[in-house]
Amino acid sequence: DTGVSQDPRHKITKRGQNVTFRCDPISEHNRLYWYRQTLGQGPEFLTYFQNEAQLEKSRLLSDRFSAERPKGSFSTLEIQRTEQGDSAMYLCASSLLEFYNEQFFGPGTRLTVL
Amino acid sequence: KQEVTQIPAALSVPEGENLVLNCSFTDSAIYNLQWFRQDPGKGLTSLLLIQSSQREQTSGRLNASLDKSSGRSTLYIAASQPGDSATYLCALIPGGGADGLTFGKGTHLIIQP
Repeated sequence: DTGVSQDPRHKITKRGQNVTFRCDPISEHNRLYWYRQTLGQGPEFLTYFQNEAQLEKSRLLSDRFSAERPKGSFSTLEIQRTEQGDSAMYLCASSLLEFYNEQFFGPGTRLTVL
Repeated sequence: KQEVTQIPAALSVPEGENLVLNCSFTDSAIYNLQWFRQDPGKGLTSLLLIQSSQREQTSGRLNASLDKSSGRSTLYIAASQPGDSATYLCALIPGGGADGLTFGKGTHLIIQP
């Protein structure tokens, strides 16, 4: 496998439930990014990691959103107490800083909050 | 705050035509600029990356240019094919490179057979 993978691809949940998404980056990529994309818009940057360190998290949309990358490999994005406005596509990307930070994206997780 | 604008929002052309997609940005202090393709309901595919010090990049029928002084990038598609139909997104990393991509809203391209 040579690409970024995300799991699950689709998630339907009820308002108020917690959800967690997983991202597996391209192996040996040291940076990992999370984005949110709503219909008709470009992706919106949320947070990123360099290895296991979370270097930017001020763009997370609220304190209900959190992300981890515990061993510098895969990452998880959790949304607590989901709201209907959280319905969107959540995209993960990875890059190798030494190669001009060119980002490669996974297929995304489509979240629907009922 | 960096803003990225893509014009036109939608474009429909007959197969075989050459076309240009435009991207403009408000702050010339960028680290790099990437062009992506997105098919409906799918993730993004990286097409071209232009480093801040470069003027253009080419891949097959695609050519992307960068003019930081005017805050513009263009994506040129030669001899368009129906398989080129997709949304094309321009995105850049500002400043020193320690940030995520800032995206435009994209150009929705339809190539008529």
